[in-house]
Amino acid sequence: DTEVTQTPKHLVMGMTNKKSLKCEQHMGHRAMYWYKQKAKKPPELMFVYSYEKLSINESVPSRFSPECPNSSLLNLHLHALQPEDSALYLCASSQDWREYSYEQYFGPGTRLTVT
Amino acid sequence: DAKTTQPNSMESNEEEPVHLPCNHSTISGTDYIHWYRQLPSQGPEYVIHGLTSNVNNRMASLAIAEDRKSSTLILHRATLRDAAVYYCILRWFGNEKLTFGTGTRLTIIP
Repeated sequence: DTEVTQTPKHLVMGMTNKKSLKCEQHMGHRAMYWYKQKAKKPPELMFVYSYEKLSINESVPSRFSPECPNSSLLNLHLHALQPEDSALYLCASSQDWREYSYEQYFGPGTRLTVT
Repeated sequence: DAKTTQPNSMESNEEEPVHLPCNHSTISGTDYIHWYRQLPSQGPEYVIHGLTSNVNNRMASLAIAEDRKSSTLILHRATLRDAAVYYCILRWFGNEKLTFGTGTRLTIIP
């Protein structure tokens, strides 16, 4: 199984809502990532978890709160978002990033619209 | 992070080879050259990576210049399914981060 799954596929939320995005992989990967992709732009890294610990936060606003409950699961909790946060949110995973060969496997993304 | 430069767009005929160029004149000795592609409405997909020598896999070949300041991704026989945005990314060994540039949008003409 070389799949990264993300739920939901689409999400519409108001600026006062609280919602969560979920990402799951069963490849035994120990690094997991959140990216944000605006329309017609490349993906931008938001967070990296390595061995279930947050190792990189790319100065993401606190209204985005990541969580890694176990090695297979990655969540992104959303609160008080702005319309400009509307984007495709991509999750990815890879083997231990310290190894030579580490490709990242991406999920299909959650398309988020903030109204 | 060292920067890469790619053409914004390219077109190729179906069943012809495609050569996608990437310039990375400030590459350092520990930077690996990675290629990913993103098909429409999908997440990015790993294609290939290399350090100094040319590399082949089932999807593509990667040709790296001797001075490593440029590289070329070669799709040997393009199909309509290869229409995507192709990203050339430099990543030094041990770096958790994958920094995407603007990429090349490849259109395949039937």
